[in-house]
Amino acid sequence: EPEVTQTPSHQVTQMGQEVILRCVPISNHLYFYWYRQILGQKVEFLVSFYNNEISEKSEIFDDQFSVERPDGSNFTLKIRSTKLEDSAMYFCASRSTGGGYTFGSGTRLTVV
Amino acid sequence: QKEVEQNSGPLSVPEGAIASLNCTYSDRGSQSFFWYRQYSGKSPELIMFIYSNGDKEDGRFTAQLNKASQYVSLLIRDSQPSDSATYLCAVNYPSNYQLIWGAGTKLIIKP
Repeated sequence: EPEVTQTPSHQVTQMGQEVILRCVPISNHLYFYWYRQILGQKVEFLVSFYNNEISEKSEIFDDQFSVERPDGSNFTLKIRSTKLEDSAMYFCASRSTGGGYTFGSGTRLTVV
Repeated sequence: QKEVEQNSGPLSVPEGAIASLNCTYSDRGSQSFFWYRQYSGKSPELIMFIYSNGDKEDGRFTAQLNKASQYVSLLIRDSQPSDSATYLCAVNYPSNYQLIWGAGTKLIIKP
C-alpha cells in the first residue's frame, strides 16, 4: 500500500530556531497538505499545495511558515522562527483527484 | 464559520456489538465526508469516505450520509477491542481544498 513518509518523527528545537519538516507524498498524487494537531485538540488545516503553488492557507500559516516542493518528490514545511505554541504534531497528507486523503505518520515538534 | 460537530464520548460498546458514531456539519455546500481513525499519538488513518446520500459499506464499516439533515454517521459491526480509538469526522468543501475536522469521538470496545 502506498504511503506518505514524514521525517523526522520527532524534532526538538529551541524557541526562535528554524525547522524544516519533510514529507514524501504518494508519487501519483497531485494535491499536498500540511495539517497540525496540538495535543488534545482538533486537527487544523495549515496549507494546501497544487501545481507547484499554494492553493489555500489558513490563518495559522503566517509569514513564519513556508512550503516548498524542491525536487518533484519532497514536500517541505519550514517554520522560520519557532514559538512555544508551534509545538504540535505536524501531518503531511496527499490525495489524488477524487480520492481520500492519505496522511503520513507525523512529526512531533517540541519547541523548548 | 464552517463547523463539524461530534460527541466527544467516550462511547463504550461491548465487543461484538454495533458501534454508532455521529457527526453533524454546518454548511449545506459540503461535498465530501470522511471518517478517520486515530490511535493515541498516531496520525489519522482513513477508514472511508462518502459523497452521495445513503449508505456505503466497506467490510465491517458502513458510512451513512443524510445531506438534508446534515449528518454523517459511521457504523462498526462486530466491534473488536482493536477498534478502540478516536474517530474523526472531516468534511471537504468544493470551494476550497481543506478538510474541516470534528474534535473526534473516543470509542472504547469492552471485551
